[in-house]
Amino acid sequence: QVQLQESGPGLVTPSGTLSLICVVSGGSISNNNWWNWVRQPQGKGLEWIGETHHSGSTNYNPSLKTRVTISVDKSKNQFSLNLNSVTAADTAVYYCAKEGGYRLDSWGQGTLVTVSS
Amino acid sequence: EIVLTQSPGTLSLSPGETATLSCRTSQSVSSSDYLAWYQQKPGQAPRLLIYGTSIRATGIPDRFSGSGSGTDFTLTISRLEPEDFAVYYCQQYEKPPRYTFGQGTKLEI
Repeated sequence: QVQLQESGPGLVTPSGTLSLICVVSGGSISNNNWWNWVRQPQGKGLEWIGETHHSGSTNYNPSLKTRVTISVDKSKNQFSLNLNSVTAADTAVYYCAKEGGYRLDSWGQGTLVTVSS
Repeated sequence: EIVLTQSPGTLSLSPGETATLSCRTSQSVSSSDYLAWYQQKPGQAPRLLIYGTSIRATGIPDRFSGSGSGTDFTLTISRLEPEDFAVYYCQQYEKPPRYTFGQGTKLEI
């Protein structure tokens, strides 16, 4: 069973860049899966951010596309999220998740990122 | 972009009863493979319950069932257990690759 663990700064200043890493254990990131980021503002619903494949291919939510970069590091079995020009609206719990055929079947525990000065 | 609307927003039931949760999509979902349901408890990540509209994920009890087609989908939870009280989200996949979630239904005692 694949396990995922997010890590990164819990506080980001407005207009800065949010950077998170998701470490994959119990399986190879080079398997034929897509690796995703999803976020959830406090008390609200889920928003898909985007996904990457070990080949380097990516797909992004059109609403965030101009600010998001997701990349994979096969040597470390991890993938990362960068979201630039952040505002308070980007404050949320950020989850990484594994795609398992049109659904997200394994999730990290989530990490809270607050955008504040 | 397909919009998913879940109803009701909150459902109040008692253990032993049956919960019926609805998910309506703004456009017809092109494949039954593309519709999934998740359960989320406070402070926890979502957990996959149902995929492919009606297939239970590994370890999910048969009290949980999914059905539907086109624009109307349903999650039914029979014989509610105390641990079933949570928030439930439907999710659809569309091409170009994109996942969209409903706003959630809170199932409360």
